[in-house]
Amino acid sequence: GQNIDQPTEMTATEGAIVQINCTYQTSGFNGLFWYQQHAGEAPTFLSYNVLDGLEEKGRFSSFLSRSKGYSYLLLKELQMKDSASYLCAVRLYSGAGSYQLTFGKGTKLSVIP
Amino acid sequence: GAVVSQHPSWVICKSGTSVKIECRSLDFQATTMFWYRQFPKQSLMLMATSNEGSKATYEQGVEKDKFLINHASLTLSTLTVTSAHPEDSSFYICSARGLGEVERSPLHFGNGTRLTVT
Repeated sequence: GQNIDQPTEMTATEGAIVQINCTYQTSGFNGLFWYQQHAGEAPTFLSYNVLDGLEEKGRFSSFLSRSKGYSYLLLKELQMKDSASYLCAVRLYSGAGSYQLTFGKGTKLSVIP
Repeated sequence: GAVVSQHPSWVICKSGTSVKIECRSLDFQATTMFWYRQFPKQSLMLMATSNEGSKATYEQGVEKDKFLINHASLTLSTLTVTSAHPEDSSFYICSARGLGEVERSPLHFGNGTRLTVT
């Protein structure tokens, strides 16, 4: 079956750097997304990786190693507004030209002063 | 661009009644819409995938007679929770992929509907 693991909660200090890890065991891997979700709101897209390596986007970077089934989201210069849940989502090819996005449980990040 | 509007944002209903949730793509044509459900502290679970003009494809364990999905046009999909029970209380989120979007494109999400069944 498909399995996506990420830590349940993390705490970090304002201005610091935090790394949120995600490991996956899936079949039909076709890309990995990171989303940010504030409580009671819809997820918003942060980053996408399909090839190995680092993708940088301002204060956010995401890394992927397909051979290890591993990704991380790196947040720099943390701000209080970064307190949210971060969802790792793997896109899987489910056959007949269709794709499915499977989400991890999310990591709740709390940024403290 | 790429705005998805979901309505209502919250609803409280009595057990046994039906509730309809609408998901509209405001500035693009959504060939595929996805309906997710999220329980507290849980991940988004895909319930069903719908393509415009055809029947929805439901995930294993999701009752298609209970969760009716209609994708009648390229800009509107509806989810009707029939004969709702307290265990159906959850956060329902729709998402959409636009016509011509490549596979690497992220999904566009609605703001979700908080359903509480009393």
